[in-house]
Amino acid sequence: DGGITQSPKYLFRKEGQNVTLSCEQNLNHDAMYWYRQDPGQGLRLIYYSQIVNDFQKGDIAEGYSVSREKKESFPLTVTSAQKNPTAFYLCASSPRTSLNEQFFGPGTRLTVL
Amino acid sequence: SQELEQSPQSLIVQEGKNLTINCTSSKTLYGLYWYKQKYGEGLIFLMMLQKGGEEKSHEKITAKLDEKKQQSSLHITASQPSHAGIYLCGAPNSGGGADGLTFGKGTHLIIQP
Repeated sequence: DGGITQSPKYLFRKEGQNVTLSCEQNLNHDAMYWYRQDPGQGLRLIYYSQIVNDFQKGDIAEGYSVSREKKESFPLTVTSAQKNPTAFYLCASSPRTSLNEQFFGPGTRLTVL
Repeated sequence: SQELEQSPQSLIVQEGKNLTINCTSSKTLYGLYWYKQKYGEGLIFLMMLQKGGEEKSHEKITAKLDEKKQQSSLHITASQPSHAGIYLCGAPNSGGGADGLTFGKGTHLIIQP
């Protein structure tokens, strides 16, 4: 089955530690995205990548980093510089050209202790 | 930057009743996506509207994009418990759609038996 997987589903981290969230897709999509969702808020764009080895900052990129070494993978690192990292993180992908549906993964809930 | 405002923020409806959720944009929309989310899970794509005046239906859910392309409505007919969840509207940040979506804050729908 084609789709997007995110791991782990729940993640706990101590303050001051970096943590990496995994996102893998087997849909052969060129574009991939990371969003953050807080209670009572919609999704906010962190980073996106339209092609391998290239990515762009979204609206709230500070304190986060990404890489896109393979078409299938777009990991997100939450660094210690992120002031309020506790949130629900969602990864998505879509074909690059024209307006297309963005397919979403199941999400990772990160809690900083 | 574009902003999407959803109304109402929350909605409690008796099973079998109809309901409408609205999404209003601060700018002309290139397109408009509707998603559904169960708490703590990923987003499920419902439908995408692109042309002014366009209307699409899926089962008992109908969405429409107004002629001026600044507002969309989602209508559910004869609501069922399976319709409960968070409904989110999203708009592409550019005409091509590959640089991510801006989302509204969501509408929480509760169906009372």
